Amino acid sequence: GAVVSQHPSWVICKSGTSVKIECRSLDFQATTMFWYRQFPKQSLMLMATSNEGSKATYEQGVEKDKFLINHASLTLSTLTVTSAHPEDSSFYICSARAGGWGSDTQYFGPGTRLTVL
Amino acid sequence: AQSVAQPEDQVNVAEGNPLTVKCTYSVSGNPYLFWYVQYPNRGLQFLLKYITGDNLVKGSYGFEAEFNKSQTSFHLKKPSALVSDSALYFCAVRVLSGGYQKVTFGIGTKLQVIP
Repeated sequence: GAVVSQHPSWVICKSGTSVKIECRSLDFQATTMFWYRQFPKQSLMLMATSNEGSKATYEQGVEKDKFLINHASLTLSTLTVTSAHPEDSSFYICSARAGGWGSDTQYFGPGTRLTVL
Repeated sequence: AQSVAQPEDQVNVAEGNPLTVKCTYSVSGNPYLFWYVQYPNRGLQFLLKYITGDNLVKGSYGFEAEFNKSQTSFHLKKPSALVSDSALYFCAVRVLSGGYQKVTFGIGTKLQVIP
């Protein structure tokens, strides 16, 4: 089946620094990738939808200048948490959709745990 | 606004017994419904989906789910639980929103199958 990887799987950083998380589709081309944030005992929250070659669409309440998303190729999307603060500590998950607009199934990465000290 | 409710934080079932993980939803328009499973230290995996057609949908690992429009439910079921089914299960609904698709997930239900 389709595989999506994330790197790093776990990162600790100091407050005020920036962290980049990569999401790769390993055996398929993903025209659309999604970034989610998962809080303990809470639902996955969609942060943004990323389409290759165009600007990401951010969900209401998500700061686009803080969570920079780049989808430079059909197999790679990156999420950069700029000037990270402790409240940004969370589990970030990406997913990728293999087909076009009509495709329904998303394949998820294993997630990246970010801890900001 | 669309929403998904999974009323049980945890479901415990004995191995070999049937299991049900509940999901109800609230949307405007026709929903696409999904179940995903998350094993420890692994990413979410797709189990099954309902788009149209037969209300009973069969998916991976022997799971099935029944779409009930009048009750706005999409409960996940399996006739005989395995210990290896122990994991976190997420229900999700997808609809059009402002010209693009939006997926909303439930909070997740932890399934514990007891040997």
